[in-house]
Amino acid sequence: AQSVTQPDIHITVSEGASLELRCNYSYGATPYLFWYVQSPGQGLQLLLKYFSGDTLVQGIKGFEAEFKRSQSSFNLRKPSVHWSDAAEYFCASQDSNYQLIWGAGTKLIIKP
Amino acid sequence: IAGITQAPTSQILAAGRRMTLRCTQDMRHNAMYWYRQDLGLGLRLIHYSNTAGTTGKGEVPDGYSVSRANTDDFPLTLASAVPSQTSVYFCASSDFGNEQFFGPGTRLTVL
Repeated sequence: AQSVTQPDIHITVSEGASLELRCNYSYGATPYLFWYVQSPGQGLQLLLKYFSGDTLVQGIKGFEAEFKRSQSSFNLRKPSVHWSDAAEYFCASQDSNYQLIWGAGTKLIIKP
Repeated sequence: IAGITQAPTSQILAAGRRMTLRCTQDMRHNAMYWYRQDLGLGLRLIHYSNTAGTTGKGEVPDGYSVSRANTDDFPLTLASAVPSQTSVYFCASSDFGNEQFFGPGTRLTVL
């Protein structure tokens, strides 16, 4: 069965530092992959998506993610985090029935 | 404003009571979804609808029912609420196969 793994439950970074959130998927074919962000008390907002083509995708709020088939990964990156990036981040993969398979989420904590 | 609305924002409910969570979208998306979000468990799909008139069961459908009489509305009903249904409920919609758009959520407490 398809699965999405986010190995880090929490990550703490200093404001201004770079960020990488890990996501691994299991799927035989090329998956459709997504990163969502959830600020406290809010719904989920799409950051970026990968369907095909260029493996480095740009999203909103200065985020990018790189699809690496050889590593079954779709890691999210940002060169310099801001305090407003503190949130929970979810990686998801679309299955063959067009449903989303969700990772458990990574909570990002920003140190001032 | 285009998007998804959910009502109520929050609710405290006595166990055994019936409750309907409302969800409306104005994006004319064909697919709609109900999730529950619990600490440490992430998002779990309760029910979905790929098009008006059809519904399907997700990962955790027991104790919940849905209907999809038209494109815009996708209510979720708890026929007889139990404390384990205390959660935050999110409705989402999508053009079939594309990214999902989420509502602001309903925080439900069952006592």
